[in-house]
Amino acid sequence: DVKVTQSSRYLVKRTGEKVFLECVQDMDHENMFWYRQDPGLGLRLIYFSYDVKMKEKGDIPEGYSVSREKKERFSLILESASTNQTSMYLCASSPTGTGSTDTQYFGPGTRLTVL
Amino acid sequence: EDQVTQSPEALRLQEGESSSLNCSYTVSGLRGLFWYRQDPGKGPEFLFTLYSAGEEKEKERLKATLTKKESFLHITAPKPEDSATYLCAVQVWAGGTSYGKLTFGQGTILTVHP
Repeated sequence: DVKVTQSSRYLVKRTGEKVFLECVQDMDHENMFWYRQDPGLGLRLIYFSYDVKMKEKGDIPEGYSVSREKKERFSLILESASTNQTSMYLCASSPTGTGSTDTQYFGPGTRLTVL
Repeated sequence: EDQVTQSPEALRLQEGESSSLNCSYTVSGLRGLFWYRQDPGKGPEFLFTLYSAGEEKEKERLKATLTKKESFLHITAPKPEDSATYLCAVQVWAGGTSYGKLTFGQGTILTVHP
C-alpha cells in the first residue's frame, strides 16, 4: 500500500514563527504536492515538485516555500506564520506516467493553528 | 480556467435510500476525473479514476460514471458508514507531460442516517 506520512497531526504556532511541515512517501513517487484545505474553499494547491530539487508554484504560493532534497521527502515552510495560514495542510504524492498510475495519494493532514 | 462544481453541497439520506452526487467540469482537455472520499480530520482517500466519456467504475455500493461535461457518483442502498465528504477532481493535459496537477471541487457532505 502507498503510504504518505506527515510529521504532525496537530500543530500550534505563534505569529511570526518559522514553521516546517514535513511529508514523506514510501512509494518512490516522482511528484509531490502540498495543499491547504479550508471550509468553503476546498483544496487549493500551494506548491508541487516533479523531481528532486525541482518545484513549481501552485495556485496560492504566497507566504510559503518548499524544499525537496530527497525524492521521498517534501517540506513546506512558512517563513513567518500568520493567522490567515491557520488551516489543514495536506501532502500528496503520485508517480509520473500514463493511465491509472498517476493517482495522487494523500497523507493524514496537519491541522495548523497560528495564534 | 479549469472549473469543477459539485452538487449538492450537502446530502442527507436514510439508510438504504439510493441517490447520486454530481460533479460538473469545464476544462481545456480532460486527462482524468478522480473521486475521493474524505472522513472528518483525515486526508482524502482515493476511490476512482475515469478517463473517457461512457466509462463506469464500481466499488461496493459506489458507482462512478463520466460524460463529456459531468460525472456522477451513484450510491446504492447507502449505510451510515458511507457518511463522508466526497471530492471530485480533474486533471488536464499539460502540454506533452503531466505532473498530475488536480483541480478539486468543493465536495459534497453526505450523511446517512440509520
